[in-house]
Amino acid sequence: DTAVSQTPKYLVTQMGNDKSIKCEQNLGHDTMYWYKQDSKKFLKIMFSYNNKELIINETVPNRFSPKSPDKAHLNLHINSLELGDSAVYFCASSHQYEQYFGPGTRLTVT
Amino acid sequence: KQEVTQIPAALSVPEGENLVLNCSFTDSAIYNLQWFRQDPGKGLTSLLLIQSSQREQTSGRLNASLDKSSGRSTLYIAASQPGDSATYLCAVLMNRDDKIIFGKGTRLHILP
Repeated sequence: DTAVSQTPKYLVTQMGNDKSIKCEQNLGHDTMYWYKQDSKKFLKIMFSYNNKELIINETVPNRFSPKSPDKAHLNLHINSLELGDSAVYFCASSHQYEQYFGPGTRLTVT
Repeated sequence: KQEVTQIPAALSVPEGENLVLNCSFTDSAIYNLQWFRQDPGKGLTSLLLIQSSQREQTSGRLNASLDKSSGRSTLYIAASQPGDSATYLCAVLMNRDDKIIFGKGTRLHILP
């Protein structure tokens, strides 16, 4: 009965590769998000998305793109991975103000 | 089990006033504490991050303090503006399992 799930939990890949992280929520929420937690464990929003609007943080490189096949899923695609992309990526969903976070995906780019 | 509490749940103040939002946590074994704001229908905007070894952080009109031993943090907003109206959340990152625990937030309304 996991509320927000992410796969994979760990992802190790080489520079230049393209990878995806999947996120699913079973809470029936309309809005989903992707966050990046950097090496200092500072959490920053990357995208927020519902069926009407995609809001992109202007600092996010266009190599990152969210894809939502349906309301319960918001996947994160990353093209041409760079060393600086190494971080923990969190998916979240919300209804009104309360956000529910997934367990995170630790991405390591070598 | 870590519990994060934010008081008050809602606050309305006239424009121009200084104000303090409170956050308390029961388990002091935290790596850091972060303050966010959330606007309706949007994700969280990071405001300030305080590492467990730090006492305070400042950014513009915002000042956040941390007293880890007593399990308290405050967010001070100087010279409030209508644009400060939002929900403010604090969150702690736990040492032992890297889990992020959020408070339920304080809904702030600045009256023009």
